[in-house]
Amino acid sequence: AQSVTQLGSHVSVSEGALVLLRCNYSSSVPPYLFWYVQYPNQGLQLLLKYTTWATLVKGINGFEAEFKKSETSFHLTKPSAHMSDAAEYFCAVTLNTGNQFYFGTGTSLTVIP
Amino acid sequence: KAGVTQTPRYLIKTRGQQVTLSCSPISGHRSVSWYQQTPGQGLQFLFEYFSETQRNKGNFPGRFSGRQFSNSRSEMNVSTLELGDSALYLCASSPGWDSPGNTIYFGEGSWLTVV
Repeated sequence: AQSVTQLGSHVSVSEGALVLLRCNYSSSVPPYLFWYVQYPNQGLQLLLKYTTWATLVKGINGFEAEFKKSETSFHLTKPSAHMSDAAEYFCAVTLNTGNQFYFGTGTSLTVIP
Repeated sequence: KAGVTQTPRYLIKTRGQQVTLSCSPISGHRSVSWYQQTPGQGLQFLFEYFSETQRNKGNFPGRFSGRQFSNSRSEMNVSTLELGDSALYLCASSPGWDSPGNTIYFGEGSWLTVV
């Protein structure tokens, strides 16, 4: 069965500090991995996705994620946090076909001025 | 290009009633999937439609149903509402169904409160 685990339901960082949000996946086949962001009272917006090309994936707003098969991880990072990054972040995995996504429980990011 | 449009955005229903939510996908997208988001259960997959056929279904009771029209617009219906059905219902669209690693694009959701 497909699943993702996000470690840390709440993460706080200072403005300008490194952002690191953790995601580990469990999959019996090579997965397709995604990060989505959700701002208050809005739907989910795609940040980036991994589709077996490069292990380091760059997304929007300066975010990137590294796929590490040996660690079954797909952690999200950003070198310097901005106040506008405060939101809920979701890691997700999907099978080879179909659009049934399995989401992690989310990490709420707070940026302290 | 317009995004995924969901209506209504907010609604309040009484226990026992039924509700219908509507979703218009991005132009050209033929796959529509529905998700329920609650603080306790997180994001859970309800079902997915492609070419007017349900392709996948999540683990929800039969009170939850959906359909897709020939123009790819979709509706979901919840009958005999329970308090636990209070949630944000998110619709997502994608160009296809059978290509690996499709990205799904979300609407802003419909907030349902059951009282």
